[in-house]
Parts: sequence; structure tokens; C-alpha cells
Amino acid sequence: ETGVTQTPRHLVMGMTNKKSLKCEQHLGHNAMYWYKQSAKKPLELMFVYSLEERVENNSVPSRFSPECPNSSHLFLHLHTLQPEDSALYLCASSQSRVNTEAFFGQGTRLTVV
Amino acid sequence: AQTVTQSQPEMSVQEAETVTLSCTYDTSESDYYLFWYKQPPSRQMILVIRQEAYKQQNATENRFSVNFQKAAKSFSLKISDSQLGDAAMYFCAYRRIPYGGSQGNLIFGKGTKLSVKP
Repeated sequence: ETGVTQTPRHLVMGMTNKKSLKCEQHLGHNAMYWYKQSAKKPLELMFVYSLEERVENNSVPSRFSPECPNSSHLFLHLHTLQPEDSALYLCASSQSRVNTEAFFGQGTRLTVV
Repeated sequence: AQTVTQSQPEMSVQEAETVTLSCTYDTSESDYYLFWYKQPPSRQMILVIRQEAYKQQNATENRFSVNFQKAAKSFSLKISDSQLGDAAMYFCAYRRIPYGGSQGNLIFGKGTKLSVKP
């Protein structure tokens, strides 16, 4: 257990649905991240939040909308997704955005039908 | 741009034996961090070992050690006395030292799936 918790663990949604992924960390970290892990591809960094401010957005489609209400919580709001968005979505946190080490959650396995 | 390459999609090792996973990377930076992460079927990415590029000494963590060859930009992971619980995906990752307002993001390889045979 790394102290980073993601819910739900599994999610199946239709292309017209709206859903949200949740990430919570109890490590006192100031930076949080969303990664996308697809089969046979390297992990892709999607968003970075530092002290609740978005500091990086790696050309992610607008159908993915992050939210960081405080330093312990991170959300990823999903709407009108495509089947190619099916993947494992991993949340991570680190003590600061310049800290060397990231701690990961167990991920949400998302399937878009 | 920095890249990380893991040339072995799958590896297999007999229990109690030793296995080495390969990783190469490309960067123009002189100082950076390198990591090996383990992702078991539970999917949680767990840090196995970390190496600072300015340190010549290879990092060691119990049964896990690295062979860091900076000139060759190679960073292999050696697992000694392999155990069934070592079976997982292993990811090599690179992070440059962030300066000022820049972000030193983790860059991952595609991973190596390690199987451990009893």
C-alpha cells in the first residue's frame, strides 16, 4: 500500500456517459499526476498539479477534464469518450513537483463501449 | 527529447536464479535520475530502486541491484535469488533534474514482463 487510493477500480461506460475518477493521497504530498497506461505503450503523462494548480497538460483531449480541489484529492472527469480511451488510468503523487520519487495508486481500469 | 527503451518485452527466470532486465535511455542532460518500478497484477506501481546519475556507485536494494553505465546510457536491473512474488511488469523510468519552473516528469519505457518459474 503506497498511500495513494484510486476509485473505482473498474469502470465501464458508454460513449455518451459522464463519469469521474477519484484519487486520494494521505502522504502530505503537494504534487499529483494522472497517467494513462495503454497496452504495449509507455505510460503517458496526462496532467500535473502542484499545490492545486495545474502546471502541465500534455495535449490531452478536452473530453478529459481534471480537477484538484485540494492537495489530497484529484479527479478526472470523463465525458463523451471514445473506445480508444479504454486504458488503465494511474494517479500518482510526490512531495513536490521537483521531488524525485512518485507514489502510484492501483489505477482505474476504464472500458469505453 | 528523452526516451527510454526496454528491448525485452518478456523475460523468464527460474525461482532462486538471477535475471537481468535491460534498459537504455537517450538524453543530452548530464544529471538526472533513473528508476525501476514494479507493477504486479494488483496494478500498483511500486518503486524498486533509484539511481542518481551523479553517483558512480551502483544502487542496491536487498536482492535488487543495478548496473549503471552512464557513458553507454544503460541502466539494467539485476534480481538475485528470484522469488515467485517478483513476477510482474518492470518499468524503467527517467527523470531529469527540474530547474526553475520546469517540470522533471517521469518518462517510462514500455516495460518487461517477468515470469518466475517454480
